[in-house]
Amino acid sequence: AQSVTQPDIHITVSEGASLELRCNYSYGATPYLFWYVQSPGQGLQLLLKYFSGDTLVQGIKGFEAEFKRSQSSFNLRKPSVHWSDAAEYFCAVANMFSGGYNKLIFGAGTRLAVHP
Amino acid sequence: DTEVTQTPKHLVMGMTNKKSLKCEQHMGHRAMYWYKQKAKKPPELMFVYSYEKLSINESVPSRFSPECPNSSLLNLHLHALQPEDSALYLCASSLGLSEKLFFGSGTQLSVL
Repeated sequence: AQSVTQPDIHITVSEGASLELRCNYSYGATPYLFWYVQSPGQGLQLLLKYFSGDTLVQGIKGFEAEFKRSQSSFNLRKPSVHWSDAAEYFCAVANMFSGGYNKLIFGAGTRLAVHP
Repeated sequence: DTEVTQTPKHLVMGMTNKKSLKCEQHMGHRAMYWYKQKAKKPPELMFVYSYEKLSINESVPSRFSPECPNSSLLNLHLHALQPEDSALYLCASSLGLSEKLFFGSGTQLSVL
């Protein structure tokens, strides 16, 4: 069965520091992978997605992620964190082939806190 | 218009009440979804509609009743809910079943 693991429940970084959020997936075929961000009480906003092709994916707000098949990972990075980046980050894998519908399976999330 | 709009933003209801959540999009998306998110947990899929027809019901209790009156509108009718149903209910839409999802801001539901 497909699953997503985000090993870090909570991360705190200083503003201006670099960031890496970890994500590992379990999926039999080529995965469709996503990173979403959620501010408190809000919906989810897509940061970036990987379907195929270049394994380094650029997203919005200066985020990027690298797909590594050998490590079953899709880690999210940002070179310099801003205070407004404080939020919950979800990694997700899409089950595209079970009935053809887009079922997103989310990881447990990583809560990012940013110190000034 | 690139938004998914959900109303109301907050809802408090008793266990004997009947209420409805509303979701609207005008992006021409033909797939619409309901997700449930408990506090400090990831969202979980409840229902998927494709071309106004229910495609997926993820074994959701019958006290939750979805409805898709037209391609822009998705409702979730609530009846006889339990306190454990308190959660953030998120609506999402996509152009097709395999396209990326656009999420609304959600309805924060409290069942007393």
